[in-house]
Amino acid sequence: AQSVTQLDSQVPVFEEAPVELRCNYSSSVSVYLFWYVQYPNQGLQLLLKYLSGSTLVKGINGFEAEFNKSQTSFHLRKPSVHISDTAEYFCAVSDRIYKYIFGTGTRLKVLA
Amino acid sequence: DVKVTQSSRYLVKRTGEKVFLECVQDMDHENMFWYRQDPGLGLRLIYFSYDVKMKEKGDIPEGYSVSREKKERFSLILESASTNQTSMYLCASSLEGRGLYEQYFGPGTRLTVT
Repeated sequence: AQSVTQLDSQVPVFEEAPVELRCNYSSSVSVYLFWYVQYPNQGLQLLLKYLSGSTLVKGINGFEAEFNKSQTSFHLRKPSVHISDTAEYFCAVSDRIYKYIFGTGTRLKVLA
Repeated sequence: DVKVTQSSRYLVKRTGEKVFLECVQDMDHENMFWYRQDPGLGLRLIYFSYDVKMKEKGDIPEGYSVSREKKERFSLILESASTNQTSMYLCASSLEGRGLYEQYFGPGTRLTVT
């Protein structure tokens, strides 16, 4: 069975500072990995995904994530955040059959 | 652009009522999903459908049923609403592809059961 852990429930960071949101997963088989963002009162939208190939994945809005197989991690990073990045971020894995397993989310609060 | 729409953004129902949540997608996706989202618990899968009239239970199906009579529409039914079903409900769709493709989400329905 797969599981996803997002250890940080909230991350406050000042505007223009870098940020890293952590995601660890466990799985006995290969998985596909995703990061989604949810702005207030909206559904989730895809930031980026890792299927195979290069372990550094670039997404929308300047975000990137690095897949680390040995550490079973897929941390999300942005070198300089904006107020508009304030949102909740979800890491997810696909079990390559049909199911997607989501983490509990990390609330990113960007401070002026 | 894929669009997933949900019939209501906010809904208030009484305990014991039968509740219907409707979801429609316009991109001919095979897979459709219903999740509930609760603070600190993330998204939990209620039901999944991979084809018309086909459905699979997710992690928390108790108290819910679903219907998929047409490819573009996936309904979630609360047979007898209870206060512990107060939550945000999210519908999603994806292409068939063994988890290769991302999910597209609707805006959510915030259901309050009083």
